[in-house]
Amino acid sequence: AQSVAQPEDQVNVAEGNPLTVKCTYSVSGNPYLFWYVQYPNRGLQFLLKYITGDNLVKGSYGFEAEFNKSQTSFHLKKPSALVSDSALYFCAVRDIDSNYQLIWGAGTKLIIKP
Amino acid sequence: EAGVTQFPSHSVIEKGQTVTLRCDPISGHDNLYWYRRVMGKEIKFLLHFVKESKQDESGMPNNRFLAERTGGTYSTLKVQPAELEDSGVYFCASSPAFGEQYFGPGTRLTVT
Repeated sequence: AQSVAQPEDQVNVAEGNPLTVKCTYSVSGNPYLFWYVQYPNRGLQFLLKYITGDNLVKGSYGFEAEFNKSQTSFHLKKPSALVSDSALYFCAVRDIDSNYQLIWGAGTKLIIKP
Repeated sequence: EAGVTQFPSHSVIEKGQTVTLRCDPISGHDNLYWYRRVMGKEIKFLLHFVKESKQDESGMPNNRFLAERTGGTYSTLKVQPAELEDSGVYFCASSPAFGEQYFGPGTRLTVT
């Protein structure tokens, strides 16, 4: 079965420090991987995706993610965190066996402290 | 370009009542999706329209949920009768063919 795991419910980082939000996945074939962010009282916003090619994907707001096939991971990273990065982050994988359905992780709350 | 819009933003109803959620996708996007997030849990797929046709409704929890997309434009999701476990945030998304999905702000449904 396809699945996505975000092992941390919450991640706390001091402003200016690097941040990592973890995501691992399980799919039967080649994955399409996504990160979305939800700011308070807002909808889900697309951050970045991995389809094929370079394992390091760059996205919006200075975020990047590294696809690691051997570890089946797609961790989200940023070199220097901002207080405004505080939000809920979701990792998702495209289920290649059922058209366009996205399978989601439970979300990780990222808190950046000044 | 206008994004995906959803109405209402928040709905509070009593158990047994009916609620209808609406989603207006981005103009020109043939694909429309409904998802639901129950408090603290992962987002779950409900169904997928391609134009006016239901492509995949494997995620619909039961026959109390009815989704329509007449004319292939906006979509509605009706819950009748609502139960306590239906509470959560209902997200709608749209996409062009093979593109990433663009999400609306969600409708927070509270069933009391």
